[in-house]
Amino acid sequence: DGGITQSPKYLFRKEGQNVTLSCEQNLNHDAMYWYRQDPGQGLRLIYYSQIVNDFQKGDIAEGYSVSREKKESFPLTVTSAQKNPTAFYLCASKGGQGNSYNEQFFGPGTRLTVL
Amino acid sequence: EDQVTQSPEALRLQEGESSSLNCSYTVSGLRGLFWYRQDPGKGPEFLFTLYSAGEEKEKERLKATLTKKESFLHITAPKPEDSATYLCAVQVYSSASKIIFGSGTRLSIRP
Repeated sequence: DGGITQSPKYLFRKEGQNVTLSCEQNLNHDAMYWYRQDPGQGLRLIYYSQIVNDFQKGDIAEGYSVSREKKESFPLTVTSAQKNPTAFYLCASKGGQGNSYNEQFFGPGTRLTVL
Repeated sequence: EDQVTQSPEALRLQEGESSSLNCSYTVSGLRGLFWYRQDPGKGPEFLFTLYSAGEEKEKERLKATLTKKESFLHITAPKPEDSATYLCAVQVYSSASKIIFGSGTRLSIRP
């Protein structure tokens, strides 16, 4: 079955630690995205990538980093510089090139909690 | 600045009581408008894409419509399983790779 997987489902981080969230897709989509969702709020864009080895900052990139070495994978690292990282993180992918109409498809999410 | 606003924030209905959710947008040039359903603790599930004013899409008890300034998600005779948060999002010409989301409407259907 084609889809997007995220792991782990739940993640606990101590203050000062870096953690990496995994996102893999087998939809052969070019574009991939990371969003953050806080309770009662919409999705805020952290980073996005339109092609391999290229990515752009979104609206709230500070304290986060990404890589895009393979088309299928777009891991997100939450660094110790992110002061309030407790949130629900969603990965998405979109088919076609940047100027297409294609909708995004989402993974199941990772809930990150800082202890 | 491109903006998407959804109303109401929360809506409680009795089973079978039809209603509409609103998504108003202020964007430089609309390429597409999307509706998603999100259950608690899960990723959003794609419902519809609308491209131009006057367009309508239907799926079971849901119908989405689009004008030049807003979109409505009409829900007819809802059932408790329709309870979820409904998200609206837009894609704009100026930055086609970015999708701008509204904050969502939490819909609760009482049996």
